[in-house]
Amino acid sequence: GAGVSQTPSNKVTEKGKYVELRCDPISGHTALYWYRQSLGQGPEFLIYFQGTGAADDSGLPNDRFFAVRPEGSVSTLKIQRTERGDSAVYLCASSRIAGGDHYEQFFGPGTRLTVL
Amino acid sequence: GNSVTQMEGPVTLSEEAFLTINCTYTATGYPSLFWYVQYPGEGLQLLLKATKADDKGSNKGFEATYRKETTSFHLEKGSVQVSDSAVYFCALPSGNTGKLIFGQGTTLQVKP
Repeated sequence: GAGVSQTPSNKVTEKGKYVELRCDPISGHTALYWYRQSLGQGPEFLIYFQGTGAADDSGLPNDRFFAVRPEGSVSTLKIQRTERGDSAVYLCASSRIAGGDHYEQFFGPGTRLTVL
Repeated sequence: GNSVTQMEGPVTLSEEAFLTINCTYTATGYPSLFWYVQYPGEGLQLLLKATKADDKGSNKGFEATYRKETTSFHLEKGSVQVSDSAVYFCALPSGNTGKLIFGQGTTLQVKP
C-alpha cells in the first residue's frame, strides 16, 4: 500500500513569507507526528496528533509554527513569518496505534524547506 | 527527560568488515529502543527494535541488544556490504505519546 507522502518535496521561500507543508499519512493510522531535521542532526519532535487533536505540541519552537489535522487524516504544518533558521527538512510520520511506545512510526520522504 | 547519545561518524569500512555503532540512553523506566536507517535519497525507515531489557532486535544481518545494565543498544553487523552505506539513528520514545527522541545519526560508508 501507499506510504506516508509529503508535499512539496522542496520549498524555497523568502524570509518573512508564510508556508504550508502537507502530510498524507498511511490510511487508517490514527497517530501522526511532525519532526524537523537540521543538517547533520537527528530528527527533533515538533507535534503529535491523536486523531484530529494535537495531543502534544511541546516541540513547536514558537508561535509562528502551527499544525492542523481537521479530519483526522491529512495534516498541514504552517509556518508564519519564516526565518532563515527555519530551513530544515520537515518529516511527517504516522503510526497505526495512538500513543504506546513500541509501535513503528512510518516516515515520509520529507519536505526540504529553504528560507532565503 | 529521555535522551540518547550516539557515536559520532562518519564511519568508513571496507566490505565484509565488522560494524559497531554505539548508542547509550537515559530513560525513565524501560522504554522500547529503536534503530532507524536513512539510505541516500530515501526516507527514514525502521531497521530493528527491542521492546524490553535483554531483548535482541535483528534485521538484514544487523543486531542490537537492549542492555539495561549499561543503558546501551549498540548496533552490530558481522559483514557489511556497500549497500549498507547510510545514516543510522538510535531512538527511544519519550512520554506516553510515543514521540521519538533521536541520536544525532552516524554516517556509514562502506567501500568495495
